[in-house]
Amino acid sequence: RKEVEQDPGPFNVPEGATVAFNCTYSNSASQSFFWYRQDCRKEPKLLMSVYSSGNEDGRFTAQLNRASQYISLLIRDSKLSDSATYLCVVPSLMDMGRRALTFGSGTRLQVQP
Amino acid sequence: DARVTQTPRHKVTEMGQEVTMRCQPILGHNTVFWYRQTMMQGLELLAYFRNRAPLDDSGMPKDRFSAEMPDATLATLKIQPSEPRDSAVYFCASGRDRPEQYFGPGTRLTVT
Repeated sequence: RKEVEQDPGPFNVPEGATVAFNCTYSNSASQSFFWYRQDCRKEPKLLMSVYSSGNEDGRFTAQLNRASQYISLLIRDSKLSDSATYLCVVPSLMDMGRRALTFGSGTRLQVQP
Repeated sequence: DARVTQTPRHKVTEMGQEVTMRCQPILGHNTVFWYRQTMMQGLELLAYFRNRAPLDDSGMPKDRFSAEMPDATLATLKIQPSEPRDSAVYFCASGRDRPEQYFGPGTRLTVT
């Protein structure tokens, strides 16, 4: 099993829709999780950190299910500007004490007018 | 607004040539990471420094790649000799003893 797995998409949704992505991880000892956003031909940018059961920031909600080892990202009232690739990130198996991260391959979101 | 800077932003070179990429981490950050991103492989960690000391370079092809931090404001990634399969975007990221990392704009390398 891969350390971090994501559905590559693309998810095509209309403006205003609510969309959710899931990400599964294999390291049950992971304590923190992250969602990064990457626009085409740009660098990944930190979107949200998740240290407990979840986190909410405006239209974005991240939730953690430790029992099933997955995290989700929910985007409400999606905007055209939300179109991007969303990367799920967890500390890597061999580097728990060193804070290196393993990035999922990303889920592509396309919001359409 | 502090940012990680990387130079050059684009590099086209011929196979066999040496390539040096530079990164200036955010002031005060003590961890630096080098990643490579391709369509096929996604983001791969190449090297990782903490307080300028290399902690992990297991993701790096040792025969041709080298990474150094000559001082706290400069990290370098060198490829010698370069090969077409090295074509990718190389990102540098920095952090401050927390898992969150902040990425530079990347160096887009094309080896012909």
